[in-house]
Amino acid sequence: SAVISQKPSRDICQRGTSLTIQCQVDSQVTMMFWYRQQPGQSLTLIATANQGSEATYESGFVIDKFPISRPNLTFSTLTVSNMSPEDSSIYLCSVEDLSYGYTFGSGTRLTVV
Amino acid sequence: GQQLNQSPQSMFIQEGEDVSMNCTSSSIFNTWLWYKQEPGEGPVLLIALYKAGELTSNGRLTAQFGITRKDSFLNISASIPSDVGIYFCAGQGNAGNNRKLIWGLGTSLAVNP
Repeated sequence: SAVISQKPSRDICQRGTSLTIQCQVDSQVTMMFWYRQQPGQSLTLIATANQGSEATYESGFVIDKFPISRPNLTFSTLTVSNMSPEDSSIYLCSVEDLSYGYTFGSGTRLTVV
Repeated sequence: GQQLNQSPQSMFIQEGEDVSMNCTSSSIFNTWLWYKQEPGEGPVLLIALYKAGELTSNGRLTAQFGITRKDSFLNISASIPSDVGIYFCAGQGNAGNNRKLIWGLGTSLAVNP
């Protein structure tokens, strides 16, 4: 299956600042997905990122708050902007691997203080 | 957003016991996926099911795709301490927006050695 490297693994940030999370895949993939997992909760899809086009955001998530870049077929970034304590979560990137379902990075654990 | 009904929410068992958990949906799915998530990690795929009635094993794990296509179960036999984690089911339709993964809320498993 695809191997995903996600950075940073964790961070503690001040409210009002922004954090950019990077996701690198060891193979070319068409779609990359960004999820949020709040403490003790399930996964919620933030957006789907296709190379060469704007990301598609799910209901409740907007580009101004979660801008996404997808410059090529192996890399994507998610920025959490103007952070507040409510943004404290685990953020996960994922790719669809036709042979192995969806593969996930190890996540970025974000704490906003 | 839509979520699956996953039960039980948590389990605390003795080592060696068998475990059973299930997911139900009001919608029909073409794919059922079972993931395990350990602390500080992203979800890891355990079993993927693609056909109604399919019964698939992966070591001590067995999962079935319900004949109605609206449910799935996961069994773990002879549990061991390293089975500890949160188990998630996810369902997927077959086209367009229905290909998004719909997630259960998770079953937290604790194993007493």
